[in-house]
Amino acid sequence: DQQVKQNSPSLSVQEGRISILNCDYTNSMFDYFLWYKKYPAEGPTFLISISSIKDKNEDGRFTVFLNKSAKHLSLHIVPSQPGDSAVYFCAATRPGSSNTGKLIFGQGTTLQVKP
Amino acid sequence: GAGVSQSPSNKVTEKGKDVELRCDPISGHTALYWYRQRLGQGLEFLIYFQGNSAPDKSGLPSDRFSAERTGESVSTLTIQRTQQEDSAVYLCASSTPPMNTEAFFGQGTRLTVV
Repeated sequence: DQQVKQNSPSLSVQEGRISILNCDYTNSMFDYFLWYKKYPAEGPTFLISISSIKDKNEDGRFTVFLNKSAKHLSLHIVPSQPGDSAVYFCAATRPGSSNTGKLIFGQGTTLQVKP
Repeated sequence: GAGVSQSPSNKVTEKGKDVELRCDPISGHTALYWYRQRLGQGLEFLIYFQGNSAPDKSGLPSDRFSAERTGESVSTLTIQRTQQEDSAVYLCASSTPPMNTEAFFGQGTRLTVV
């Protein structure tokens, strides 16, 4: 049962344009969502997060949007830079619970930003 | 240490042998996670430790897999009688109380079963 889904395995955009990465989830108990970036041979690093009480969170070039009714979130990167080329994972959790506080990850989307 | 440390960074083992992977979390982090990433796949949840609560082992793929954690420190993931399908990068992460939200990952152990 894939509770967090990233349906696009890859995305290619031109430098300077917007990158939009999508993520869907099925478990309505999730109330905190995170995006991680992973370079080859490195562990994932935290990028940005959003609580279910918000519908948008912005940090520099990165903005995450949450649509709870659709159980959908997206990560926007603008402007995209070649250094953004990496695998992006979305993750979901229900914080504060000893049983469900674990992070569940999607399959990842490989972003390539072309110079 | 400054971050999550995993050892070894690479491990090649023969099919049927047992292996033990180690994770040193960030000091003070009560939550610890193990994930697996097979080639071309996503991050597969294996096991989750949170303080003194019983660990969530729901992601362990078979009884050949087990993990322990000593208090709020080191964790070891043991794979017995390794199979070729166990080949993957095994990632450990830890997070800080009380929200257990942002998790910090180690660089992983690349396990190759030949």
